[in-house]
Amino acid sequence: EPEVTQTPSHQVTQMGQEVILRCVPISNHLYFYWYRQILGQKVEFLVSFYNNEISEKSEIFDDQFSVERPDGSNFTLKIRSTKLEDSAMYFCASTPGLSQRAKNIQYFGAGTRLSVL
Amino acid sequence: DAKTTQPNSMESNEEEPVHLPCNHSTISGTDYIHWYRQLPSQGPEYVIHGLTSNVNNRMASLAIAEDRKSSTLILHRATLRDAAVYYCIRIIGGSQGNLIFGKGTKLSVKP
Repeated sequence: EPEVTQTPSHQVTQMGQEVILRCVPISNHLYFYWYRQILGQKVEFLVSFYNNEISEKSEIFDDQFSVERPDGSNFTLKIRSTKLEDSAMYFCASTPGLSQRAKNIQYFGAGTRLSVL
Repeated sequence: DAKTTQPNSMESNEEEPVHLPCNHSTISGTDYIHWYRQLPSQGPEYVIHGLTSNVNNRMASLAIAEDRKSSTLILHRATLRDAAVYYCIRIIGGSQGNLIFGKGTKLSVKP
């Protein structure tokens, strides 16, 4: 069964450093998402991406964050200058992209644990 | 406001059915109800979704009230592997389809 793949599983970085979290969505999917979950808290939407541009973003997704689909398979989340409060699990998701978006099923990766020291 | 209301936690015995309730009293006609679950240390996983009619799949059943203001996720025979946080999410019709997670219901399954 196709799955969303995220690498690395755990990323440790120093505060102020740039990190890139990588995701390989399911191959025929058209919509891509990033979510994050701070330890012990709920899953929070960050950004959605379609047709090589951001469809929607939350208040969390400020200028320190960016997303990119550099080739036909990868989808990346970059945090430009990490802060301690960026420590969280980051989940990538993808969906086939039915015309009626509210029916779309999202498929999640296993996540990348980001630890900012 | 696409908020839903769920109990914080529920307990079940293994092999018994589990009914997980969700209230979505402000739902409108084109909004879908989706259920996802998150097993410990894993990403969210799709369970089931519906609009008006009851739905069944290999994982669960979804019973939607006639007025659509509430729904119930039914696990027919709980297993230890079903212990997870279950999220009831209302997706607004015509929206981008982004998932707005609440705190969900933490289901514990006792052997």
